[in-house]
Parts: sequence; structure tokens; C-alpha cells
Amino acid sequence: NAGVTQTPKFQVLKTGQSMTLQCAQDMNHEYMSWYRQDPGMGLRLIHYSVGAGITDQGEVPNGYNVSRSTTEDFPLRLLSAAPSQTSVYFCASSSRTSGGAETQYFGPGTRLLVL
Amino acid sequence: AQTVTQSQPEMSVQEAETVTLSCTYDTSESDYYLFWYKQPPSRQMILVIRQEAYKQQNATENRFSVNFQKAAKSFSLKISDSQLGDAAMYFCAYSPPLVFGKGTRLSVIA
Repeated sequence: NAGVTQTPKFQVLKTGQSMTLQCAQDMNHEYMSWYRQDPGMGLRLIHYSVGAGITDQGEVPNGYNVSRSTTEDFPLRLLSAAPSQTSVYFCASSSRTSGGAETQYFGPGTRLLVL
Repeated sequence: AQTVTQSQPEMSVQEAETVTLSCTYDTSESDYYLFWYKQPPSRQMILVIRQEAYKQQNATENRFSVNFQKAAKSFSLKISDSQLGDAAMYFCAYSPPLVFGKGTRLSVIA
């Protein structure tokens, strides 16, 4: 199993550009989520999905869109990039949609720089 | 909303010694889960240890153990026999939903 994969590893954008960060998992996990990590802030939840066709907002959803058309993929779209979105983005997945004991499997992260 | 607080931005420990990282959290729930994640310079998030709130017994994983004080809402991580490879950022987390503290950077001195 590849686990959770993310592409690209690093991206530079200009203000106003749009792009999609890709996330895929091959563990048949129902739950997937996106976090951003900023210096001194820990990880903050952007959006999450409890299964195909179902998504919801996390703590910092503004400026981001998600969709979940398949169990395997959970792309994160930046509609109009802003310098405040410069961050490291992590995708994670876990096996159950209820409770909270599930171990989150994290991808390697995407470093995004918005100029 | 649940919050997680790590009051030590940085800690250091001598190789082979023991260090304790602090974490407190705030919740009105009675059933929840607590985690410690390690993030080395590679940025990969690695689960270190997990604790179920309904279990009174403290979780242990080899050199890693926790001191879970439910009434005090405290969840500290003890690393015994520290090794150079333990140097990393450590994040305390609460679930559900999964909320992280701001992290403690641990340095290990040879």
C-alpha cells in the first residue's frame, strides 16, 4: 500500500491564481481531511469528508473548496490564492467515520508559497 | 469548542535521560481520545501514543508513556532513555474532532 499520497510536494503561486492540491489513499478509508500547518499554530482543520459525496467545513475553510467523488480521492481547491494561504498542507485519512479513536494516517505534505 | 494547550514551546533533554512534555485540554465531553504525534524534520506526522478517556490505565508504548489525569484535563508525555532520534516537534491532540495543540519542539543533546 502507498498509504496517503499528496501532489505536488511544493508549489509557488501568484496572488489570484487557482490550483488543486491532490490527495489519494489506497486503504479504503471513509474519513479524509485537510489540515494546514503554520509556524507556531499547529495543525488546523480546513475541510473533512466522512464518505464519498459528503463534505463539511472545519476550523479554517474560507478560500478553499473540496469535493469527494470517490472513496480514494479528496482534492483541495484554492479558488483565488492569497499570501495568507502560504502554508504546509496535510491530507489525512482514517478508517471510521464515527467516534474518534481512529489513527489518522497523514500524507507527506504539500508546501505552498503564494507570492 | 475543544481546545488543546501545550505550554512548553521548546524543551531539551540529555541523551539517555527522561523528559516530560505537558498538555492540557478543555472539553465538556466525557468520552474522547487523546493522542501524541511526532513530527521530525521530514514533516511526516507519526502517531506516538493514544489514550481512551474511559480507560483509567495510562497508555504506554516502549519508551513512551502518558500521565492521564482526566479530572485535571491533563495529558503529559514521558519519554524515557531519550535518543537522538526523538528530536522532533511533538503535538498533543484531542478527538473528536481532531484538534491539535501548537506543539513542543524537543531537542536531544548528545
